[in-house]
Amino acid sequence: GQQLNQSPQSMFIQEGEDVSMNCTSSSIFNTWLWYKQDPGEGPVLLIALYKAGELTSNGRLTAQFGITRKDSFLNISASIPSDVGIYFCAGPSYNDYKLSFGAGTTVTVRA
Amino acid sequence: EPEVTQTPSHQVTQMGQEVILRCVPISNHLYFYWYRQILGQKVEFLVSFYNNEISEKSEIFDDQFSVERPDGSNFTLKIRSTKLEDSAMYFCASGDRRGGETQYFGPGTRLLVL
Repeated sequence: GQQLNQSPQSMFIQEGEDVSMNCTSSSIFNTWLWYKQDPGEGPVLLIALYKAGELTSNGRLTAQFGITRKDSFLNISASIPSDVGIYFCAGPSYNDYKLSFGAGTTVTVRA
Repeated sequence: EPEVTQTPSHQVTQMGQEVILRCVPISNHLYFYWYRQILGQKVEFLVSFYNNEISEKSEIFDDQFSVERPDGSNFTLKIRSTKLEDSAMYFCASGDRRGGETQYFGPGTRLLVL
C-alpha cells in the first residue's frame, strides 16, 4: 500500500483543549478516512472525505481533504476524557480500493 | 445501526493448526476485506473480495490464506497452517462504494499462535 505519514505520533492534552493531527501522502488519494481505535477493538469510522478541499464536521470533529489530494487533517475541539484512543488516517490511492493506514496518533486526555 | 460482526473474539491455536475466522458484513454491502494488525503496529491490508472472487491481495496473503463467502451472509478467512508470526488482530471490513471508498470495520478476532 501507499505510505502515509501521520503526525504527531502521540499527544497529551488537557481536557477542554483542541487537538489537531494530520496525514500526508506521496501519492494522490481519492478518499480520506479518519478512524478511532480503542484498545482491543476495531477501527471506528469518524469522518469520510471524498472531494479535494472538502471540510466535514461530525460533532466536535472536523476534517479536511487537502487541495493537493495528498494530505488531510483532523481536529477535535474541546476534548473530553472519552476522546482518548488512537486515531488513524486511511485511504485508497488513486485507482485503488485497498486502504493504507497511517501509523496512528495516540491521544491521552488529562482531566 | 448496521455493523460488521466477527467471531470468535479470541482464538488461541497451536502452530501448524488451521483456523477459520468468521465475519458477517453489513447486509447491503458488496465489497469485503480482511486486514490484520500486529500488536503495536498499524493496520495492514490482506485481501479484498467482490462478486465471489478475490479482487486484490497483498504479499502477506500467501498460499496459506484463503477466503470464502460460503453463503449470503458470512465471509471467512482461513489460515491453513498457522505460524507464530500470524499472531495478530484480524479485522473484517465491508463497504458499498457509494460516493467513495468507505469501509466499516468489525471488532476483530485476536489470534494467538503458540
